Amino acid sequence: AQSVTQPDIHITVSEGASLELRCNYSYGATPYLFWYVQSPGQGLQLLLKYFSGDTLVQGIKGFEAEFKRSQSSFNLRKPSVHWSDAAEYFCAVGAEDYGGSQGNLIFGKGTKLSVKP
Amino acid sequence: DAGVTQSPTHLIKTRGQQVTLRCSPKSGHDTVSWYQQALGQGPQFIFQYYEEEERQRGNFPDRFSGHQFPNYSSELNVNALLLGDSALYLCASSLEDRFVEQYFGPGTRLTVT
Repeated sequence: AQSVTQPDIHITVSEGASLELRCNYSYGATPYLFWYVQSPGQGLQLLLKYFSGDTLVQGIKGFEAEFKRSQSSFNLRKPSVHWSDAAEYFCAVGAEDYGGSQGNLIFGKGTKLSVKP
Repeated sequence: DAGVTQSPTHLIKTRGQQVTLRCSPKSGHDTVSWYQQALGQGPQFIFQYYEEEERQRGNFPDRFSGHQFPNYSSELNVNALLLGDSALYLCASSLEDRFVEQYFGPGTRLTVT
């Protein structure tokens, strides 16, 4: 069955420190991978996406993620965290398989990021 | 460039009632998906609409139904509301030729009492 695992429910980092949020997926077909960010009470904003090609993808707000097929992982990183990065982060996997109509996204349960001053 | 919009922002209903939520897709997008996000959880896929037809459906009962209009906007209807239907309902839009790349609206917070 398709699934996304975000092992860390809550992470706290100091402002200016580096960040890595983990994501592992299980998907039989070639996956498309996404990271979204959600501020309290808000919708989801797309941070970055991986479809093919270079396995290191750059996103908005200084975030990047690396796709590692051998580890079924797509971890999100940022070299220096700002207080405004405090939010919840969701990893998602999807596939465009018209035969199987796999048009939906499957989300992890999210990682809440807190930033210490 | 107008993003995805949803209405209303908040809604309070009583068990057994029916509710309709609305979504306008991002300009140029023709595919709309709906998700339910319970408190503390990731979004769960309800269904996806393209060309006014339901193209794919998640594991939700028939109490959840939808519609897409010729202008690509969409409605989500939930009948016979249960307490467990309380959640943030998110609409996402995309292009048919890349329908998995989805952009989300701000959501409608539904509370069932």
